Amino acid sequence: EPEVTQTPSHQVTQMGQEVILRCVPISNHLYFYWYRQILGQKVEFLVSFYNNEISEKSEIFDDQFSVERPDGSNFTLKIRSTKLEDSAMYFCASRGGQGNNYEQYFGPGTRLTVT
Amino acid sequence: RKEVEQDPGPFNVPEGATVAFNCTYSNSASQSFFWYRQDCRKEPKLLMSVYSSGNEDGRFTAQLNRASQYISLLIRDSKLSDSATYLCVVNQENRDDKIIFGKGTRLHILP
Repeated sequence: EPEVTQTPSHQVTQMGQEVILRCVPISNHLYFYWYRQILGQKVEFLVSFYNNEISEKSEIFDDQFSVERPDGSNFTLKIRSTKLEDSAMYFCASRGGQGNNYEQYFGPGTRLTVT
Repeated sequence: RKEVEQDPGPFNVPEGATVAFNCTYSNSASQSFFWYRQDCRKEPKLLMSVYSSGNEDGRFTAQLNRASQYISLLIRDSKLSDSATYLCVVNQENRDDKIIFGKGTRLHILP
């Protein structure tokens, strides 16, 4: 069964450093997403991406964040200058977009620890 | 009122019992509804979409009540492997690309 994959599984970085989190969505999917989940809190929407551009973003997704689909398979989230409060699990998700199917499928996540 | 609200639990239920969760949502224009389950430190996994007419998948039944703005999940003949956090997910208005998660309801199935 096709699945979303993410690398790395765990990233430790120092405050102020740039990080890039990588995702490979399900191959025939058209819509891509990033979410984060701070430990003990709910899953929060960050951004959605369709047709090579951002379609929605939340208040959390400020100028420090950017997304890119550099080739036909990868989807990346970059945090330019990490802060302690960026420590969280970051989940990538994708959905097909065909018809009325709005079901999103999540990758296993990247745990980001900012020290 | 919070956008998506769930009883955090935990619900401690003996194996084989039936358990039900409700979730309320604030935006009457929401159109898409889902239940996900999340195991500790894992990703949310789609359990089922929730349709207006209600739907069933094996031991799981989901219902939508638009008038009262809540969705429900019923689990029959609960198994130890059903222990998880159950997340209610609703899209924000007609913006199907933005979905809002509830904080989840923790379920412990007791042997």
